[in-house]
Amino acid sequence: GDSVTQMEGPVTLSEEAFLTINCTYTATGYPSLFWYVQYPGEGLQLLLKATKADDKGSNKGFEATYRKETTSFHLEKGSVQVSDSAVYFCALSEGTDKLIFGTGTRLQVFP
Amino acid sequence: ETGVTQTPRHLVMGMTNKKSLKCEQHLGHNAMYWYKQSAKKPLELMFVYNFKEQTENNSVPSRFSPECPNSSHLFLHLHTLQPEDSALYLCASSRALGEGAQETQYFGPGTRLLVL
Repeated sequence: GDSVTQMEGPVTLSEEAFLTINCTYTATGYPSLFWYVQYPGEGLQLLLKATKADDKGSNKGFEATYRKETTSFHLEKGSVQVSDSAVYFCALSEGTDKLIFGTGTRLQVFP
Repeated sequence: ETGVTQTPRHLVMGMTNKKSLKCEQHLGHNAMYWYKQSAKKPLELMFVYNFKEQTENNSVPSRFSPECPNSSHLFLHLHTLQPEDSALYLCASSRALGEGAQETQYFGPGTRLLVL
């Protein structure tokens, strides 16, 4: 079945460092891909999404490119801030509106 | 503030108790979802409702009983739970489901449940 694999956390960075959180997926068709973020004490919020190969989703300085050839959707940000500390979830959906999530990656940014 | 509220935010219950979780969305959506979030595990989809009709039951034990009286409200009734049911229960909503549609889901803050 479909699945999403994320790098284990926590990822610990200093402010203004470059961030990469890896995400790879397994799917039978052509899924849409998502990154959700969960700040402490809150529910998940959609961060960005891409619906077809080579699309780039972007929001709040975060970017991810849908790479069909490597089945990846890595999340990147050029300069992280303390306020980016949260848990990040990669997810996919194959048109059934059912989201399949990865286990989440905790990001901790220190000043 | 995502427009999806959940109550209570925290709940402690014994294995013989009966309790209910409530979710309300103020976004005009027609699809609602229950997820279970446990430590070190992916989010697990439990139930999906579309226009008040249940469209997905992801092999959830019968001690969890959902109810969707209208498109704005979703309940999860809990009865004789086990300690391993302790988790964060998240509600989400989206526009109506449709084949091939891809609607963003909006999540509530969750109810953190502890079963003793």
